Amino acid sequence: SQKIEQNSEALNIQEGKTATLTCNYTNYSPAYLQWYRQDPGRGPVFLLLIRENEKEKRKERLKVTFDTTLKQSLFHITASQPADSATYLCAVNSGGYQKVTFGTGTKLQVIP
Amino acid sequence: GAGVSQTPSNKVTEKGKYVELRCDPISGHTALYWYRQSLGQGPEFLIYFQGTGAADDSGLPNDRFFAVRPEGSVSTLKIQRTERGDSAVYLCASSQGPSEPQHFGDGTRLSIL
Repeated sequence: SQKIEQNSEALNIQEGKTATLTCNYTNYSPAYLQWYRQDPGRGPVFLLLIRENEKEKRKERLKVTFDTTLKQSLFHITASQPADSATYLCAVNSGGYQKVTFGTGTKLQVIP
Repeated sequence: GAGVSQTPSNKVTEKGKYVELRCDPISGHTALYWYRQSLGQGPEFLIYFQGTGAADDSGLPNDRFFAVRPEGSVSTLKIQRTERGDSAVYLCASSQGPSEPQHFGDGTRLSIL
């Protein structure tokens, strides 16, 4: 069956450290993968999109990798800040070119 | 410019009633998506519109759920004979096209009593 797994436990890290979040998928062959941030009571906010022919993408303090052999994406936040505390969602292209399936998210807490 | 707007932000109704949830996408975005999100879960795909047509409605759970986008802009999600299990946050997103980043509204929190 198709599955998307993200760190099920909440992730607590010290301010200034690098946070690394994992997204593993099975039985998908995604053309692209996305990462979103969601704050309580709000809709998800798009962060980064990486396509199957790209290994790595960066945006300011964010970095995402995409390993189609391991079927895994890693999402890094460097020099983390308390304002980075939120739930981070991985979204895998899952049907046609338009459909994505979201993981359950990882709750990140950055401790001052 | 304005983001995706969803109304109402909260809706409480009784089991068996009919509800309509509205989504105003970002102007010019041809792709529109509806999702449902339960507590502690990621958004669950319901339906995708490209222009006026529903290009993929494979996520609609049953025939009580229906969505329209008659002029290729505003969309309405309609739920008939609501059940308590329909309680969730219903999210709408729009994008410039398939495989492009999606811009979400803040959702409608639907509670069925």
